[in-house]
Amino acid sequence: AQRVTQPEKLLSVFKGAPVELKCNYSYSGSPELFWYVQYSRQRLQLLLRHISRESIKGFTADLNKGETSFHLKKPFAQEEDSAMYYCALKMDSSYKLIFGSGTRLLVRP
Amino acid sequence: EPEVTQTPSHQVTQMGQEVILRCVPISNHLYFYWYRQILGQKVEFLVSFYNNEISEKSEIFDDQFSVERPDGSNFTLKIRSTKLEDSAMYFCASSAGPIYGYTFGSGTRLTVV
Repeated sequence: AQRVTQPEKLLSVFKGAPVELKCNYSYSGSPELFWYVQYSRQRLQLLLRHISRESIKGFTADLNKGETSFHLKKPFAQEEDSAMYYCALKMDSSYKLIFGSGTRLLVRP
Repeated sequence: EPEVTQTPSHQVTQMGQEVILRCVPISNHLYFYWYRQILGQKVEFLVSFYNNEISEKSEIFDDQFSVERPDGSNFTLKIRSTKLEDSAMYFCASSAGPIYGYTFGSGTRLTVV
């Protein structure tokens, strides 16, 4: 079955440290991958989608089909990056997003 | 920046009652969705809606649930005869097309007592 795995429930780093939020997926077709962010008490916001290969707020993510991963990275974490991050998969035959369980990123001063 | 608006932000209802959750998607979007998140669990897909009909639904979306776009701007989720396990945060989303990613609303917290 199609699945998105985010192995870390909580990731705590100091300001200025590099960050990598892990995401692995299981899907044999052509996946579309997204990262969503949810700041405290706010709505889910689209952060990145792999097809656009963009960098938002210093975050990047590369789709690695060999490792079935779409890890989110930022070289220097900021306190305002503290939030819940969700990785999501869209299958090419479907309208829906399949979400991972999320990783809470805490950036300490 | 355009937003997806959901009302109410919080609804408490008694078990067995019907509830209607309301959403106003972004005006030029054509695809509409409902998701839910039970406390402590994953965000789960319920249903997608395109061209005035359901395009896909999950196994959660049984006969208890229905969706409607009654007037060209609102998009509603009706839950008939609510159960305790329907307590969750319900998110509406819309998109210009599936590959663009969604814009989510801020959610309605439904509490069934």
